[in-house]
Amino acid sequence: ELKVEQNPLFLSMQEGKNYTIYCNYSTTSDRLYWYRQDPGKSLESLFVLLSNGAVKQEGRLMASLDTKARLSTLHITAAVHDLSATYFCAVLDSGGGADGLTFGKGTHLIIQP
Amino acid sequence: DTGVSQDPRHKITKRGQNVTFRCDPISEHNRLYWYRQTLGQGPEFLTYFQNEAQLEKSRLLSDRFSAERPKGSFSTLEIQRTEQGDSAMYLCASSHGGVGANVLTFGAGSRLTVL
Repeated sequence: ELKVEQNPLFLSMQEGKNYTIYCNYSTTSDRLYWYRQDPGKSLESLFVLLSNGAVKQEGRLMASLDTKARLSTLHITAAVHDLSATYFCAVLDSGGGADGLTFGKGTHLIIQP
Repeated sequence: DTGVSQDPRHKITKRGQNVTFRCDPISEHNRLYWYRQTLGQGPEFLTYFQNEAQLEKSRLLSDRFSAERPKGSFSTLEIQRTEQGDSAMYLCASSHGGVGANVLTFGAGSRLTVL
């Protein structure tokens, strides 16, 4: 069974600081996704990582994937308040043909002025 | 295109009643997914369709849960004989499917409260 673990689950940080969220997964997969969820809202796609060594950047967020270590990171540079949200990583569970995404529990990020 | 639409947004019901949720995907998307999200957790995959074919339903939580997509467009998720443990947000998502990124676009969700 595919397991996806994120850490930390909760993060409070100050504006202007840098930080990294980690996502570990337990079995081989060829697709990893990062989503953002604001309170009371649905999930918004941020990044899709399809190969070992893939790196994607959008604004202050950068995601990377190491398939050998089964690890993805989401790095936040010079955080601003608007980035406060819950961030989920999700891995394609193609084992057994389910073809659904398995999500981590999410990282609840609060960025304080 | 207005994205993925779900209805109703909120449903309060008494234990033992049946409820049905509807999802209208993005029109050009042929894959449709249902997920459940409980407080403080990530979404949990339930089932998905490729056009009208339900390709995976073993993850449905019990035989009280069923889903249909009769014409390959909108889909319904029905929960029969609801229990308090069914209280959650039910999310629908759609995608192009096939090879490549296959990014899922999620709807706003239908929140179920079972009293």
